[in-house]
Amino acid sequence: KAGVTQTPRYLIKTRGQQVTLSCSPISGHRSVSWYQQTPGQGLQFLFEYFSETQRNKGNFPGRFSGRQFSNSRSEMNVSTLELGDSALYLCASSLGGQYSEAFFGQGTRLTVV
Amino acid sequence: AQSVAQPEDQVNVAEGNPLTVKCTYSVSGNPYLFWYVQYPNRGLQFLLKYITGDNLVKGSYGFEAEFNKSQTSFHLKKPSALVSDSALYFCAVSPGSGYSTLTFGKGTMLLVSP
Repeated sequence: KAGVTQTPRYLIKTRGQQVTLSCSPISGHRSVSWYQQTPGQGLQFLFEYFSETQRNKGNFPGRFSGRQFSNSRSEMNVSTLELGDSALYLCASSLGGQYSEAFFGQGTRLTVV
Repeated sequence: AQSVAQPEDQVNVAEGNPLTVKCTYSVSGNPYLFWYVQYPNRGLQFLLKYITGDNLVKGSYGFEAEFNKSQTSFHLKKPSALVSDSALYFCAVSPGSGYSTLTFGKGTMLLVSP
């Protein structure tokens, strides 16, 4: 079956702009989580959506937001971009239980200049 | 709150030798533990998980992990390393609250030399 698809793969944005990243989960998976990966901070949890509801949120400023649609596809948005937002953004889908393994997409590499 | 520690930034091993990548965890309830691997410019791939039951968990690509509750450890092992095993390995823990959120360790780079 098809894996997790993230688009676009690469993005270059200017400080102050906003960006939207997209994630299509594995068919049948209702949970989508987003993670930020940087060399300094490692993998950090942004938020999780389950059946269109945000179920959990990490410690990120309000500039980071997300949503999930009825088909489980998810988007995350970052407004007023800062240089420090440059990172690999990973989306993961799962069945939604605490012991369900997550399947990750290849990520979106965001560079803020 | 839960946390994961991977005490080694890098592990070097020769091909054919056994490998161990260390992980310790801290959780308030039952630990649900995972290992993932990341190859350059790729997302994370699931290797194995511990939920309950046998302390030795077998996973993909010949990897296994040993759960030790008294030492709060979940070390990743492989009897015979391959050069193609060279990658970044992450240990992660899931909270026992019904969520599928993962808390990751910092990662350990495994380098297998020919």
